[in-house]
Amino acid sequence: DQQVKQNSPSLSVQEGRISILNCDYTNSMFDYFLWYKKYPAEGPTFLISISSIKDKNEDGRFTVFLNKSAKHLSLHIVPSQPGDSAVYFCAASATGNQFYFGTGTSLTVIP
Amino acid sequence: EAGVAQSPRYKIIEKRQSVAFWCNPISGHATLYWYQQILGQGPKLLIQFQNNGVVDDSQLPKDRFSAERLKGVDSTLKIQPAKLEDSAVYLCASSLGSGGDAYSNQPQHFGDGTRLSIL
Repeated sequence: DQQVKQNSPSLSVQEGRISILNCDYTNSMFDYFLWYKKYPAEGPTFLISISSIKDKNEDGRFTVFLNKSAKHLSLHIVPSQPGDSAVYFCAASATGNQFYFGTGTSLTVIP
Repeated sequence: EAGVAQSPRYKIIEKRQSVAFWCNPISGHATLYWYQQILGQGPKLLIQFQNNGVVDDSQLPKDRFSAERLKGVDSTLKIQPAKLEDSAVYLCASSLGSGGDAYSNQPQHFGDGTRLSIL
């Protein structure tokens, strides 16, 4: 039972353009959402989070949007840089409970 | 601050052998997690500790997997005996807290993992 889904296994974007990574969830009890970035042979690195009381959180070039009614969140990277090429995982939890991860989206930023 | 440390980085064993992984969390982090990540999938929680007590081990295959967290700091995860389907990356993560306290919504910080191959 996949409670967090990332339906795009891969995404290619030109350097300088916007990257949009999407994530859907099924559990309406989820109230905390995170994005992680993962380089090969390394562990996931925390990128940005959002609580369900917000619909947007911004940190530099990274913005996460949350649409609770659609059970959908997205990560926007503007402008995209070659160093952003990595696998991005979204994760969700209901406060105090375990995190559920998506299967990841591999982003390639083309110079 | 120093990150989550894991060892070994790689391990190759034959099926039915045993193996152990070690994790040292970030200093001061009360909560420690072990995840299994199979190729092409997201990390799946195996067990969660709060200090040295188990919070959630519902997805740990207890007939072959065991974990402990001595003195609420370091942790070890053991597999005995290993099966072919245990081939995966085993990730350790830590966070400040969980479970309804002031640190409930805190991101987890991951180590680089141990890549286990079963022959």
